[in-house]
Amino acid sequence: AQSVAQPEDQVNVAEGNPLTVKCTYSVSGNPYLFWYVQYPNRGLQFLLKYITGDNLVKGSYGFEAEFNKSQTSFHLKKPSALVSDSALYFCAVTRGSTLGRLYFGRGTQLTVWP
Amino acid sequence: EPEVTQTPSHQVTQMGQEVILRCVPISNHLYFYWYRQILGQKVEFLVSFYNNEISEKSEIFDDQFSVERPDGSNFTLKIRSTKLEDSAMYFCASSASTGGGYEQYFGPGTRLTVT
Repeated sequence: AQSVAQPEDQVNVAEGNPLTVKCTYSVSGNPYLFWYVQYPNRGLQFLLKYITGDNLVKGSYGFEAEFNKSQTSFHLKKPSALVSDSALYFCAVTRGSTLGRLYFGRGTQLTVWP
Repeated sequence: EPEVTQTPSHQVTQMGQEVILRCVPISNHLYFYWYRQILGQKVEFLVSFYNNEISEKSEIFDDQFSVERPDGSNFTLKIRSTKLEDSAMYFCASSASTGGGYEQYFGPGTRLTVT
């Protein structure tokens, strides 16, 4: 069965510091991995994805994520956090052979304080 | 930038009533999805829809649920007889294609409260 774990319910960082939001996954076959962000009263916004190729993928708003096959991880990173990055972040996975069904983690609330 | 829209934003209904949640996917997308999130739990897949038929459904999507694309723009989720445990945020999503490599674009959600 496919699953995603986000081990931290909350991550707190100071503005200007680097941030990491962790994600590990379990999937049969090749994984396609995604990060989404949710701001209050908004839908899930796509940030970035890993399909194949370079393990480091870059996305919107300066975010990047590193795919690590041996550790089955796909951690979200940003070199310098902004207060406006404060939101709920979801990691999701699907198998390459599926019809697009996404399996989500529980979400991590990121708070960046000034 | 094109967006997925959903109406209503909040629906309150009594147990046993029928509800229809509406979505307008991005206009050139071909694949449509419904997910739900019960408060404090994961976002869960309900159903995917392509070419006017269900492509895949989860174990949650039982006979009480149905989906329809009644015209060229709307995509609906119907719950025939709501239960208390159907209270959740329901998200509609669409994608240009599938095969796993295409990101899904989500609407803002409809919060369904069953009393």
